[in-house]
Amino acid sequence: SQQGEEDPQALSIQEGENATMNCSYKTSINNLQWYRQNSGRGLVHLILIRSNEREKHSGRLRVTLDTSKKSSSLLITASRAADTASYFCATAPADYTDKLIFGTGTRLQVFP
Amino acid sequence: GAGVSQTPSNKVTEKGKYVELRCDPISGHTALYWYRQSLGQGPEFLIYFQGTGAADDSGLPNDRFFAVRPEGSVSTLKIQRTERGDSAVYLCASSLGTSGGETQYFGPGTRLLVL
Repeated sequence: SQQGEEDPQALSIQEGENATMNCSYKTSINNLQWYRQNSGRGLVHLILIRSNEREKHSGRLRVTLDTSKKSSSLLITASRAADTASYFCATAPADYTDKLIFGTGTRLQVFP
Repeated sequence: GAGVSQTPSNKVTEKGKYVELRCDPISGHTALYWYRQSLGQGPEFLIYFQGTGAADDSGLPNDRFFAVRPEGSVSTLKIQRTERGDSAVYLCASSLGTSGGETQYFGPGTRLLVL
């Protein structure tokens, strides 16, 4: 079963604009990871944020985590057409199992 | 190779047939995972191996699904008596396996279509 939901389900923006995607989850976590998926195939790991961290940056990506609200957000700044993809959050549950539980994903379309 | 590889890329089979999907993890990664992704959904966990043993198989939907990793490297996901509802992309991932909650690296997936 899915851990939670992502919002919005779909997002369309122009190149140069910022894109924000939100993720909510249900259970306590060890960490939360964001992945990108092109054309419904392999997932590319973007960033991992641990439960004791509140914010993390990687290039044009900024991730926040609010464990009290069980939510995270992914911000992509200065978007490019190449950022067009589906984005998924995935949580590693705090019960020390190593499986990831994925959200439903946000489909991002960046127009040139 | 440098990444996780999966074969075949695509598999078309008929209802009731048996299929095997193969995953070759990143060299040195002791942890291996199988996920299944239906159209428009996020991946769903199936099974996790640490070395040769299945540490968590709670995601396998029923006893038609089975996976092995006999030498702690390559893994095979086996599906017996396939059903149309088994159609999905089957994703494999691996990680170092030295501590919990590590980054998982995914392969390109096998797209299974059951007619």
